[in-house]
Amino acid sequence: DVQLVESGGGLVKPGGSLRLSCAASGFSFSNFAMNWVRQAPGKGLEWVSSIRSRSPDTYYADSVKGRFTISRDNAQNSLFLQMNSLRPEDTAVYYCASQSFDFWGQGTLVTVSS
Amino acid sequence: QSALTQPASVSGSPGQSITISCTGTSRDIGAYNYVSWFQQHPLKAPKLLIYEVSNRPSGVPNRFSGSKSGNTASLTISGLQAEDEADYYCSSYTTINTRVFGGGTKLTVL
Repeated sequence: DVQLVESGGGLVKPGGSLRLSCAASGFSFSNFAMNWVRQAPGKGLEWVSSIRSRSPDTYYADSVKGRFTISRDNAQNSLFLQMNSLRPEDTAVYYCASQSFDFWGQGTLVTVSS
Repeated sequence: QSALTQPASVSGSPGQSITISCTGTSRDIGAYNYVSWFQQHPLKAPKLLIYEVSNRPSGVPNRFSGSKSGNTASLTISGLQAEDEADYYCSSYTTINTRVFGGGTKLTVL
């Protein structure tokens, strides 16, 4: 079975940093692009970033460009999201999702507050 | 990267059909046949219902169908059931290799 398990969320002060991880299993991780999607409390879904399967090509929402960096380790079947200069509006549940959004993790909560 | 436009809420009685619209632009919905629809129950991760405008993943009932005309996509749910009460989101690939979601529609089964 396909599994995506996020970790690394928590409480961080404005201006701080956090690194999220997503452990993938049950499919050929290295063959597929991956995504991060977030959902602020009581709000809708917002696409954050995506990364292609093997090339360094990465893409970001305007709201996080220049602050967040997506990366992957195909040898470890892992996806990452480095989040710097965090703002209160970045508070959300962060999901990793497969290339076609057919598989999602359970999400990890990031809270940015002083 | 403006969000796609969905109605905030729709409702219907069991057995009825409802349609949720999703309006974008020529830079997203109108550009490609890469529109997806998701269902999300409270405190759960989203679930893919429809991909590439009108295709259903394995296990999704054929009560769920999708279509597109120009810059607007639609999700139709026929034979409404109580368990269909949830939030629904559309999404599209864009011409700048990003993704955009709709604001979400809350479906109430009366």
